[in-house]
Amino acid sequence: GQQVMQIPQYQHVQEGEDFTTYCNSSTTLSNIQWYKQRPGGHPVFLIQLVKSGEVKKQKRLTFQFGEAKKNSSLHITATQTTDVGTYFCAMSEGGGSNYKLTFGKGTLLTVNP
Amino acid sequence: NAGVTQTPKFQVLKTGQSMTLQCAQDMNHEYMSWYRQDPGMGLRLIHYSVGAGITDQGEVPNGYNVSRSTTEDFPLRLLSAAPSQTSVYFCASSYSGRGYGYTFGSGTRLTVV
Repeated sequence: GQQVMQIPQYQHVQEGEDFTTYCNSSTTLSNIQWYKQRPGGHPVFLIQLVKSGEVKKQKRLTFQFGEAKKNSSLHITATQTTDVGTYFCAMSEGGGSNYKLTFGKGTLLTVNP
Repeated sequence: NAGVTQTPKFQVLKTGQSMTLQCAQDMNHEYMSWYRQDPGMGLRLIHYSVGAGITDQGEVPNGYNVSRSTTEDFPLRLLSAAPSQTSVYFCASSYSGRGYGYTFGSGTRLTVV
């Protein structure tokens, strides 16, 4: 089945530094979603990207979808301790509908205050 | 709106026992899924459903059964528990169509001894 590779597996930063996690697929994706899971918590939906080259921002978070729709990134500017958690990308089958969502293994972000 | 409710939150089973993990959502979501989360493995799809009466297998379906008799409920049955099924189980639901992310329950931590 389809797979999405996510790197890095872990990232430790000093508070105020930037952070980026990447997702790569060998096949063209119809869309990609991003989730955040706080330690001990459950995944929480952040955003979905659909269009080639799409860029979306949520405060300090910037999400990008590659031109070929085979990769995506999440960039956090000036990390804060509240950003701690695991960030997952997820891809769906079904022509745009997300009835079967496959997750990457996630990037665990820790922030040193 | 309670969202996605999972019960129980914690469970210890003996090898060979069977049990049902309950999942209910009150958002009238068409899609529902079960994931298991193991350290370093991310979230792996067990079974999913696109509507009442319709279910299908995900990445790791062996040892698990599901049914979807109503839109609201999507129970996961462990037929004969094995230590390899020790994991955290998440149920999630979503509207169909583009732009909607999954809402996750708070999870069930299952230990099989």
